[in-house]
Parts: sequence; structure tokens; C-alpha cells
Amino acid sequence: DSGVTQTPKHLITATGQRVTLRCSPRSGDLSVYWYQQSLDQGLQFLIQYYNGEERAKGNILERFSAQQFPDLHSELNLSSLELGDSALYFCASSVVQGRQETQYFGPGTRLLVL
Amino acid sequence: AQKVTQAQTEISVVEKEDVTLDCVYETRDTTYYLFWYKQPPSGELVFLIRRNSFDEQNEISGRYSWNFQKSTSSFNFTITASQVVDSAVYFCALSFYNQGGKLIFGQGTELSVKP
Repeated sequence: DSGVTQTPKHLITATGQRVTLRCSPRSGDLSVYWYQQSLDQGLQFLIQYYNGEERAKGNILERFSAQQFPDLHSELNLSSLELGDSALYFCASSVVQGRQETQYFGPGTRLLVL
Repeated sequence: AQKVTQAQTEISVVEKEDVTLDCVYETRDTTYYLFWYKQPPSGELVFLIRRNSFDEQNEISGRYSWNFQKSTSSFNFTITASQVVDSAVYFCALSFYNQGGKLIFGQGTELSVKP
């Protein structure tokens, strides 16, 4: 158990809908990362937050947005869903030791868009 | 370009065999970090090891060992005396200190250990 929690574990929805994925980082971790794992794209970085502020952005679609709240939990919002958004979405939080950072991943949310 | 290549898509071995998973990376940065993660059939991503670009010391942890060679831009992972529980997809990943820590993953190698 990494200490990172994600809810829900599974989500089935229809095209055009909007969903929210939730992540709670490990106690004390200030950074939260979101990744998408799909069969065709593999594991791709979406976005990073550090202590409530957006720090880095990857290949995140405009239909997707995220935020990190004062209690450090994060939410990833996916809207106008398409079939191709079906994927496993991971959240990770990181511990920094000096200049070295290690990310620990949650169990993922498996999204199926029908 | 910053890229991680795991050329082996699938590997199948019989229990107790040794197996090496290859990872080759591309970067022009001088400070970077390399990782291996394991994804068992249950789906979660489990951290195995982190290596810094300025530390080429190889490491052994139980049945696992890692061989980092900057000269060939490789960070290979060996499992000695493999077990059925080692069956998983293994990902090699790269990150950079000045890019917020995001991980660039390889495509993964699916290891199947048969009894």
C-alpha cells in the first residue's frame, strides 16, 4: 500500500458526460501528479500540482482540468467524454529528499466510456 | 529528445530462470533520474528503485539487481531465480530535476514467469 488513495476505483459512463476523479496524497506529500495509461499511448503525464499551485503540464486535453485543494487532495475533471478517454488514471504523490524525488502511485481509477 | 525505450515487449521464462529487462534512455541533460516500476496484474504501479545520473553504482536488493551505464545510456534490471509472483509489466522511467519531476515512461515489458 503506497499510502496514496484514489476514488472511485471503477467508473463507467457515457460519451458526452463529465466525471471527477479524486486523489488523496500520502501524509506530508505536497506534490500530486496525474497520469493516464491507455493501450495506444502508454503511460502519459498529464499535470502536476505542488501545494495548491499548478507546476507542470503535459499532454492534457483542454476538456480535462485539475486542481489541488488546501488539504492537498486533488481532483481531475474530465468533461465531454469520448470513447478514447477510456483509460486507467493514476495519481501519484512524491517525497523529496534534497534534489531527489520519488513518486508513489495510487491504485488508479479505471474509466470506461461507452 | 527525451525518451525511454524498452525494446522487449514480452518476455516469458520458466521459474528459477534469471531474466534481464532492458531499458535505454535518451537525454542531453546531465542531471536526471531513472526509475523502475512494477505493475502486477492487479494494476497498481509499485516503485522499485531510483537511480541518479551522478551515481553509477550498481545495486542489488535481494533477487533484484540494476545495472546503470551512462556510456551506453542503459539502466537494465535483472531478476535472479525468477518466481511466478514476478509476473508483471515492468516500466522504466526518466525524470529531470528542472522539469518538475514528471516521469517519462517506456512502453513497458510484460514478464511472464511460468511454473
